[in-house]
Amino acid sequence: GESVGLHLPTLSVQEGDNSIINCAYSNSASDYFIWYKQESGKGPQFIIDIRSNMDKRQGQRVTVLLNKTVKHLSLQIAATQPGDSAVYFCAERAYGNKLVFGAGTILRVKS
Amino acid sequence: DTGVSQNPRHKITKRGQNVTFRCDPISEHNRLYWYRQTLGQGPEFLTYFQNEAQLEKSRLLSDRFSAERPKGSFSTLEIQRTEQGDSAMYLCASTSGGGRHMLERLFFGSGTQLSVL
Repeated sequence: GESVGLHLPTLSVQEGDNSIINCAYSNSASDYFIWYKQESGKGPQFIIDIRSNMDKRQGQRVTVLLNKTVKHLSLQIAATQPGDSAVYFCAERAYGNKLVFGAGTILRVKS
Repeated sequence: DTGVSQNPRHKITKRGQNVTFRCDPISEHNRLYWYRQTLGQGPEFLTYFQNEAQLEKSRLLSDRFSAERPKGSFSTLEIQRTEQGDSAMYLCASTSGGGRHMLERLFFGSGTQLSVL
């Protein structure tokens, strides 16, 4: 979804459930995508990345899915834990060598 | 700690003053980036260096902003004549990225939080 200022979309999940965070990217020329996690007062922390020639990539408890047809990226977190609570950002690389970040999604894990 | 280091962590200044932030990247990384982040938003690209060369600057980087990386290691970001709108988190990131066809996994520091009163 879209976010303006402090009104980031929020996903609330129960501890142990799976989480799915979605991201719509803007540029069909983007060839690289990445998910970051950001906790309060800290810099973004790398979670997982994927090239545009792939549809899916798995890490430890996380999976990224890429649908280039509809320019959609998702992050799946298995067995969500309280420590997963944070703001999650997707980013794309389109032109040059810089990452362009989306607005973020807040993930709240309820114990 | 071998991660990206930023100093200071917090800076409070009065409008019109100059401020300078420092970033020490991961030692073997040749690319260094500066981003700015305001509350509730994703990081916005400001500029990046490959070694000591500044290769790209965002139009967000007004002439009051200047960044340097004189020896291709640490970098400084200076803001002159600060304005209240400059209040933000300034993030530094580094990578060893070797070109467009290599993954550009940026490693971020914890940022410098600037408050302009």
